[in-house]
Amino acid sequence: AQSVAQPEDQVNVAEGNPLTVKCTYSVSGNPYLFWYVQYPNRGLQFLLKYITGDNLVKGSYGFEAEFNKSQTSFHLKKPSALVSDSALYFCAVRDRANDYKLSFGAGTTVTVRA
Amino acid sequence: DAGVTQSPTHLIKTRGQQVTLRCSPKSGHDTVSWYQQALGQGPQFIFQYYEEEERQRGNFPDRFSGHQFPNYSSELNVNALLLGDSALYLCASSPTSASGIYNEQFFGPGTRLTVL
Repeated sequence: AQSVAQPEDQVNVAEGNPLTVKCTYSVSGNPYLFWYVQYPNRGLQFLLKYITGDNLVKGSYGFEAEFNKSQTSFHLKKPSALVSDSALYFCAVRDRANDYKLSFGAGTTVTVRA
Repeated sequence: DAGVTQSPTHLIKTRGQQVTLRCSPKSGHDTVSWYQQALGQGPQFIFQYYEEEERQRGNFPDRFSGHQFPNYSSELNVNALLLGDSALYLCASSPTSASGIYNEQFFGPGTRLTVL
């Protein structure tokens, strides 16, 4: 069975400081990994994905994530956070052997203070 | 280009009733997935439709059923509603890639279902 853990319910940072949102995963095969962001009363918005290749993936709005196979992690990062980055962030995994289902973590609420 | 659209945006039903939610995928997308997002939780996979067939199903009872039409739009039906069915229901679409590279799913804004 595939699963995702986001160990922090909330992350608080000051504007201009680095932002990190943690994610670890468990799959039986090789993973496809995703980050989505959700603003209040909105659907999920795609940020970035890891399929294969370089472990450092760059995505929308200055976000990036690093795939670490040995630690089964896929942490989301942004070098300089903005107040507008305040939202709910979800990590998701798809097991290539279990081809279609996305499994999501419980989410991490990011608050960036001015 | 319109993204994924869902209707209605909000719905209030009482226990035991039935509900139908609708989804139109993003242009060029032929695969539709449905997710349930309870308050304070991540989305949970209900099922996925491709070529008008249910291709995969999550751990949801048979009260949850769906349909995909030839134009790729989809419906989610829930029978015998329970209080616990109150949630945000998200539809996501994705294209089938001939290269086999997996494409990300694009989500609609969701339908907020409240069961009283």
